Amino acid sequence: AQKVTQAQTEISVVEKEDVTLDCVYETRDTTYYLFWYKQPPSGELVFLIRRNSFDEQNEISGRYSWNFQKSTSSFNFTITASQVVDSAVYFCALRTDTGRRALTFGSGTRLQVQP
Amino acid sequence: EADIYQTPRYLVIGTGKKITLECSQTMGHDKMYWYQQDPGMELHLIHYSYGVNSTEKGDLSSESTVSRIRTEHFPLTLESARPSHTSQYLCASSGAEWAFNEQFFGPGTRLTVL
Repeated sequence: AQKVTQAQTEISVVEKEDVTLDCVYETRDTTYYLFWYKQPPSGELVFLIRRNSFDEQNEISGRYSWNFQKSTSSFNFTITASQVVDSAVYFCALRTDTGRRALTFGSGTRLQVQP
Repeated sequence: EADIYQTPRYLVIGTGKKITLECSQTMGHDKMYWYQQDPGMELHLIHYSYGVNSTEKGDLSSESTVSRIRTEHFPLTLESARPSHTSQYLCASSGAEWAFNEQFFGPGTRLTVL
């Protein structure tokens, strides 16, 4: 069985602050894939990043960065200099190569960026 | 940009009605999925399909049914809607390479059963 935990239900920051969204995962598989999705108020899920279990290199994309640490089973997401448009619910998800290969989602973190 | 469509986007109906939520993708993806998202935000897999004529139940028990007669189409049906079915339903698809294709999501259908 696999599990994704996003302990932060809601975070509120002021514009231009940095914010980190935590994600901790559990799986017995040695090959797995981690994802972050953004869900704005309109409701659709927007893919942000995919990381496979063999690649622990951190990634930066503009104001977004991701820190993958297998030793702590964490895949944290940092937004630098947050903006109001970043306000959304963010989901961390896990997929393995066995079984259904569907996504197991965390419960999501609602980020509110105040102007 | 992903080409996956869901209709209707919003639906308000009365108890006992039969409804079908449509999902179509134009990417030729073999795998398709339905997730239910409750008001507490969590997403749960309710159905999935590996290809034409293949359908399976997901993690969350659901009274809905699905069919996969064509690759591009994966509709979800509720024979008799109830207030407990009120939720957002998200359809997704992914390509043939399990490892290297993320799931693309449709815009969702927000269902309210009165």
